[in-house]
Amino acid sequence: KAGVTQTPRYLIKTRGQQVTLSCSPISGHRSVSWYQQTPGQGLQFLFEYFSETQRNKGNFPGRFSGRQFSNSRSEMNVSTLELGDSALYLCASSIEAGALGTADTQYFGPGTRLTVL
Amino acid sequence: AQSVAQPEDQVNVAEGNPLTVKCTYSVSGNPYLFWYVQYPNRGLQFLLKYITGDNLVKGSYGFEAEFNKSQTSFHLKKPSALVSDSALYFCAVRENNAGNNRKLIWGLGTSLAVNP
Repeated sequence: KAGVTQTPRYLIKTRGQQVTLSCSPISGHRSVSWYQQTPGQGLQFLFEYFSETQRNKGNFPGRFSGRQFSNSRSEMNVSTLELGDSALYLCASSIEAGALGTADTQYFGPGTRLTVL
Repeated sequence: AQSVAQPEDQVNVAEGNPLTVKCTYSVSGNPYLFWYVQYPNRGLQFLLKYITGDNLVKGSYGFEAEFNKSQTSFHLKKPSALVSDSALYFCAVRENNAGNNRKLIWGLGTSLAVNP
C-alpha cells in the first residue's frame, strides 16, 4: 500500500506570494492532519480534516487554510507569505475509526520544504 | 493543560550500549502515547504506541518503551544502539476520549547521536 505522498517536495517563494501544498493520504485513511515543523518550535499543529470537514485547528493566523476533498486528499494554502513561514510542512493521515478507545496511528508524508525569500 | 516534555535536547551514546530517550507528559485521564523517529530531510516514522495493557511496548527496529503511570513517563529504550539509530525522536500524547479534541500534543524532540 502506498504511503502518504506530498507535492511538491520543495518550494521557493517570495514574500507576499501564496502557496498551495497537496497531500494524498494512505488509501482508506479518512483523517488528514497538517503540521509545521521548524527547528526552534518543533511540530506545530495546523489543522485536521475528516470527511471534508475541519475538525481541529491550531493557533495559526487566518492566512493558513486548508480543505479536504471527497477522496480524502487534502490541500493547504498559505496566503501573503512571510519569511517566518519558511518551514517543513508535514501531512499525516490516519484511518480514524472514531470509536472510544481507539488510538489511530498517524502516518506521515515526507513533507514539503517551503523557503520564503 | 496537556503537555509533553522531552527533557534532553540531545542524547549521545556509544554503539552497542543501551539507549534511553526520555518523555514525560501531562494529560487528564488515560493517555495514548506515541514515539516517532525522523531522519534528516524525511517525514516522521511511527515507532510504537501505548494504548492500554502491558506497560512495556515493543516497536519497530528493536525499540521499546515503558509506560509508567505514577511517574507520567513513557521513555524510549533500546538494548543495543546502532549508528543508524542516529536521528530525531519525538514523543506525542493524546487524551483517551471520543470527542473532537483528538489532536496529538508533541514534544520538541530529542536528537540521538550514536557514536561508532
